Amino acid sequence: TQLLEQSPQFLSIQEGENLTVYCNSSSVFSSLQWYRQEPGEGPVLLVTVVTGGEVKKLKRLTFQFGDARKDSSLHITAAQPGDTGLYLCAGKDNTDKLIFGTGTRLQVFP
Amino acid sequence: KAGVTQTPRYLIKTRGQQVTLSCSPISGHRSVSWYQQTPGQGLQFLFEYFSETQRNKGNFPGRFSGRQFSNSRSEMNVSTLELGDSALYLCASSRFSGGGGTQYFGPGTRLTVL
Repeated sequence: TQLLEQSPQFLSIQEGENLTVYCNSSSVFSSLQWYRQEPGEGPVLLVTVVTGGEVKKLKRLTFQFGDARKDSSLHITAAQPGDTGLYLCAGKDNTDKLIFGTGTRLQVFP
Repeated sequence: KAGVTQTPRYLIKTRGQQVTLSCSPISGHRSVSWYQQTPGQGLQFLFEYFSETQRNKGNFPGRFSGRQFSNSRSEMNVSTLELGDSALYLCASSRFSGGGGTQYFGPGTRLTVL
């Protein structure tokens, strides 16, 4: 069974701080996605990374896919209260099912 | 363009009952996937339907079933409810099967089993 472990599980920071969330697996994924979920809503796709070593930027968010396609990271620069939410990584396994990570709950205080 | 809608949004049932949840995908999307989200297990894949056929299935007991209609709307049924079935049930639609396109999630149905 392919598992995706995220760390940290919880993160509580002040506005303006930087943070990094990690998503690790012992398995290789053909692609990896990052989602953000807010209370009362479903997850919303932020980015998909496909190539090992790939780096994608979305405004203050930087996503990186590991060279071996087993891990990924999400870095947020100058966090804002609007970044608050549950961040989920998800990898597509060899049967095309999406395997979701354990989640990182981020709280950014003004 | 309207998003994915799920009904009902909240549901309370007792053990042993059965429940049916509904999902209406984005217009033009033929794939509907269902997920269960719990604090302990996170977000887990239940099954995917594409053009009225189940294309993929997760590791859930046979009490969990689904179907898709010709208009791509999908229903999920859980029979003989157990306390552990309390969860947020999410559906996601996409244009293509097998995660080939972006999945758009609905707001979910929160099921509480007493």
